[in-house]
Amino acid sequence: DADVTQTPRNRITKTGKRIMLECSQTKGHDRMYWYRQDPGLGLRLIYYSFDVKDINKGEISDGYSVSRQAQAKFSLSLESAIPNQTALYFCATSDSAGGNQETQYFGPGTRLLVL
Amino acid sequence: GNSVTQMEGPVTLSEEAFLTINCTYTATGYPSLFWYVQYPGEGLQLLLKATKADDKGSNKGFEATYRKETTSFHLEKGSVQVSDSAVYFCALRTNNAGNMLTFGGGTRLMVKP
Repeated sequence: DADVTQTPRNRITKTGKRIMLECSQTKGHDRMYWYRQDPGLGLRLIYYSFDVKDINKGEISDGYSVSRQAQAKFSLSLESAIPNQTALYFCATSDSAGGNQETQYFGPGTRLLVL
Repeated sequence: GNSVTQMEGPVTLSEEAFLTINCTYTATGYPSLFWYVQYPGEGLQLLLKATKADDKGSNKGFEATYRKETTSFHLEKGSVQVSDSAVYFCALRTNNAGNMLTFGGGTRLMVKP
């Protein structure tokens, strides 16, 4: 079973609609992240959370919000989707403890198309 | 601020060819450097990393050496296989940015039999 799962894997929505992307992890990690991937731009950080009560904006947070419902769950919402939010979205986790805190583990991605 | 620049792709090679994907960076402080690989339809996976100058990261036949003097972390493999076809991302992390990764734009590698 995958350690980091994302739902849905693909989503088509219309401009103005509210949508939520969900991420769950079974790795027991305390830190979680949301990125978007656009061709030629690599991954850019949207939001990150170092624990359930610690949520921070990343490089490109405008138009997005997040919720850390539990240590294992971190959801990303687009309150009013717009076409330039069409992208591939990745959730990632990392562990602040131990000797491997620099490694992030990624989910399989959610492909979002906003019409 | 931090930034990572990679060579643009796609890079197309024949099987058993030598691979180099260039990566240079700009960072404050002393970054850790990473290569992540993304196979078709999957998320990113850590391929290798180096945490200080002159360190060499290696995995699955891939290597990269942390060159502080040239601020580079070029990825190399002596003999590529069709199964190496993927997108490769160079990334860095600095202590003054928590655990935040800064990614390059990615380089698509296509290996033909």
